[in-house]
Amino acid sequence: AQSVTQLDSHVSVSEGTPVLLRCNYSSSYSPSLFWYVQHPNKGLQLLLKYTSAATLVKGINGFEAEFKKSETSFHLTKPSAHMSDAAEYFCVVTSNRDDKIIFGKGTRLHILP
Amino acid sequence: GAVVSQHPSWVICKSGTSVKIECRSLDFQATTMFWYRQFPKQSLMLMATSNEGSKATYEQGVEKDKFLINHASLTLSTLTVTSAHPEDSSFYICSARGEAGGPKTQYFGPGTRLLVL
Repeated sequence: AQSVTQLDSHVSVSEGTPVLLRCNYSSSYSPSLFWYVQHPNKGLQLLLKYTSAATLVKGINGFEAEFKKSETSFHLTKPSAHMSDAAEYFCVVTSNRDDKIIFGKGTRLHILP
Repeated sequence: GAVVSQHPSWVICKSGTSVKIECRSLDFQATTMFWYRQFPKQSLMLMATSNEGSKATYEQGVEKDKFLINHASLTLSTLTVTSAHPEDSSFYICSARGEAGGPKTQYFGPGTRLLVL
């Protein structure tokens, strides 16, 4: 069975400080992992993905994530938050075996001036 | 690259009417398209998966006669909400997957806000 847990429903950071959005997954088979960002009333934009290549993945807008199999985690980080990063972030797992797609419940990122 | 559009971006309709939402992959061929529904402040709920030229696969609890999906070409899928009721009001988002970005990567449309009066 597959599952995705985004450990924080809300995260607040000050502008210019690091961002950490946590995601843990459970998958019986080798997964593909994704982070998407959604701004209000918009669709989802792909930030980055892990598909069994390098475990440290760099994405757009300065975000990166590290796939840690031993910890079953795929946390999203950014060294320095910008006001425009305020949005909802979703961690998504897709099984490479049966193609089942599981969305996390999302983390709302607030940026404090 | 990998752009997905949806039309319309928002629609208001009367109860009992049908509404069609289009999802297009603009610069890649989408062998698979997905339709999601999103309630306020919630995650996306997968409604159905459609593969070009075949019938859609609906998730449990989604009425296939209520939400008609057609994936007639490698760049177009449509969702028709038939006999819409106020409880169908929601944000509908499609995604497309194909050769762009790898076999498991979904690219999302901007969403369609449906309000049924």
